[in-house]
Amino acid sequence: GNSVTQMEGPVTLSEEAFLTINCTYTATGYPSLFWYVQYPGEGLQLLLKATKADDKGSNKGFEATYRKETTSFHLEKGSVQVSDSAVYFCALIQAGNQFYFGTGTSLTVIP
Amino acid sequence: DAGVTQSPTHLIKTRGQQVTLRCSPKSGHDTVSWYQQALGQGPQFIFQYYEEEERQRGNFPDRFSGHQFPNYSSELNVNALLLGDSALYLCASLTWGARYGYTFGSGTRLTVV
Repeated sequence: GNSVTQMEGPVTLSEEAFLTINCTYTATGYPSLFWYVQYPGEGLQLLLKATKADDKGSNKGFEATYRKETTSFHLEKGSVQVSDSAVYFCALIQAGNQFYFGTGTSLTVIP
Repeated sequence: DAGVTQSPTHLIKTRGQQVTLRCSPKSGHDTVSWYQQALGQGPQFIFQYYEEEERQRGNFPDRFSGHQFPNYSSELNVNALLLGDSALYLCASLTWGARYGYTFGSGTRLTVV
């Protein structure tokens, strides 16, 4: 079946620190991979996506590379800001258009 | 251009009652999916509607039902509410057949007491 596993939080970093949130997946086919961000009291916002192996998704300084050989899609940012504090979800989707989400990783960035 | 609109934003119901949540998809989208997000968890797929029919369903009991109207808007109904139904309910819309491009609404926070 399909599933997503992401590192458990919470994660607390100082401003300008390097961020990595690990995500691995299990899928029966060739999924598209996503990172979504959720701010307190809000819905999900698409952060970035990658649709095939070796694709790199990027947005707002965040990056993630679709690694088929390690079934991973780790999220990275070189220098986090206080405004990046949120919950981050890794997700996959394939034929059938049903998302499978990880459990989320809470990030707090302190000044 | 309006995105996905959900109503109400918050709701409190008593155990055993019934509730209806509403979703208007993004303009141009014809497919609506519903997700349940329990506190501290990732969203779980409930079902998807296209052309007024349920096309896919996740692992949710029959107490969860839905409807899609000709204007593509959708309702999620939950009967015989349980305390465990307390969650954020998210609606997402898409153009049928698109592999990605989902837009999520801000959700309805349901509390069952």
